[in-house]
Amino acid sequence: DAGVIQSPRHEVTEMGQEVTLRCKPISGHDYLFWYRQTMMRGLELLIYFNNNVPIDDSGMPEDRFSAKMPNASFSTLKIQPSEPRDSAVYFCASSLRSGPSGANVLTFGAGSRLTVL
Amino acid sequence: DAKTTQPPSMDCAEGRAANLPCNHSTISGNEYVYWYRQIHSQGPQYIIHGLKNNETNEMASLIITEDRKSSTLILPHATLRDTAVYYCIVRVASLRDMRFGAGTRLTVKP
Repeated sequence: DAGVIQSPRHEVTEMGQEVTLRCKPISGHDYLFWYRQTMMRGLELLIYFNNNVPIDDSGMPEDRFSAKMPNASFSTLKIQPSEPRDSAVYFCASSLRSGPSGANVLTFGAGSRLTVL
Repeated sequence: DAKTTQPPSMDCAEGRAANLPCNHSTISGNEYVYWYRQIHSQGPQYIIHGLKNNETNEMASLIITEDRKSSTLILPHATLRDTAVYYCIVRVASLRDMRFGAGTRLTVKP
């Protein structure tokens, strides 16, 4: 398996533009997570899905952020309109519920580094 | 979830054992201890987890005290590539998301 695949790896955009980040989870995994990492706030959970259904979106900063998972192999995180304070590394991760007992093993992608000018 | 406390930073000599402590004095009986690490610019990586017993895998060993109020992650022979931020997380297995704190920045020195 190629692991969790994220695109783009780097994105530079101007304030006010729409940004779409993409994630392909590991095949067969039934949980998908979106995290954001900044120096100031560390690694924050934004939202996660189970079987394509959003379970907890309490970490989504505001209405400018939206996430979708139209099928088991694809998810998007959209920011519209983008602002400079959205500059961060965005990570996607996936996991399998039926793993070994107690094993909550998240596999992370390489991340998408977003810079909003 | 139980709160965890980790030292902000530690150094270790290459080839020596790195012992990373984590305090979780309010842990409840059904909460697991998980360790992840994040090497610079990469996504976090799962290392090991445990409930009560000590655990060992190809990456590390996890020692949990008998009262479960603290644990230690041991990297037996640290290499320069083990330089990373190490996160200790306490979570019940039924909750599938992971919440990351500040972690410990381990620097392995030659």
